[in-house]
Amino acid sequence: KAGVTQTPRYLIKTRGQQVTLSCSPISGHRSVSWYQQTPGQGLQFLFEYFSETQRNKGNFPGRFSGRQFSNSRSEMNVSTLELGDSALYLCASSPRDRVTANTGELFFGEGSRLTVL
Amino acid sequence: AQSVAQPEDQVNVAEGNPLTVKCTYSVSGNPYLFWYVQYPNRGLQFLLKYITGDNLVKGSYGFEAEFNKSQTSFHLKKPSALVSDSALYFCAVRDIRGTALIFGKGTTLSVSS
Repeated sequence: KAGVTQTPRYLIKTRGQQVTLSCSPISGHRSVSWYQQTPGQGLQFLFEYFSETQRNKGNFPGRFSGRQFSNSRSEMNVSTLELGDSALYLCASSPRDRVTANTGELFFGEGSRLTVL
Repeated sequence: AQSVAQPEDQVNVAEGNPLTVKCTYSVSGNPYLFWYVQYPNRGLQFLLKYITGDNLVKGSYGFEAEFNKSQTSFHLKKPSALVSDSALYFCAVRDIRGTALIFGKGTTLSVSS
C-alpha cells in the first residue's frame, strides 16, 4: 500500500508570494492533518480535515488555510509568505475519524520543505 | 493544557549499550502517548503507542516504552543500541479535542560504533 505522498518535496518562494502544498493520504484513510516543523518551534499542529470539513485548527494566523477534496486528498495554502514560514510541512493521514475512538497512530509523509527568501 | 517534555536535547550511547530517551507528560484524563522517529530529511515514522493496559509497550525496531502513571513518564528504551538508531525521536500526546498530536521538542540520539 502506498504511503502518504506530499508534493512538491522542495520549493523556494519569496516574501509576499503564496504557496500551495499537496498531500495524498494512504488509500482508505479519511483523516488528514498538517504540521509545521521548524528548528525553533518544533512540530506544531496546523489543522485537521475529515470528510472535506476542517475538524480542528491549531494556533496559526489566517494566512494558513487548507482544504480536503472528496477523494481525501488535501491541500494547504500559505498566503503572503513571511521569512518565518520557512519550514518542513508534514502531512499525516489516519484511518479513523473523530467520532470513533481516535487511538490510532498517524502516518506521515516525507514533507514539503519550504524556503522563503 | 496538555504537554509533553523531553528533558534531553541529545543522548549519546555506544553501540550495544542500552539506551533510554526520556519523556514526561501533563494531561487531564487518560493519556494517549506515542513515540515517533525522524531520520534526516524524512517524515516521522511511528514506533509505538500507549493507550491502556500493560505499562510496558513493545514497538518497532526493538524499541519499547514504559508508562509510569505516578511519575507521568513514558520513556523510550532499547536493550542494545545500533548505529542505525541514530535519529531524532519525538514523544507525543494526543490532544483530547481530536486527533492532533502535541509533540515534545525532540531528542537527538547518537549511537557511536
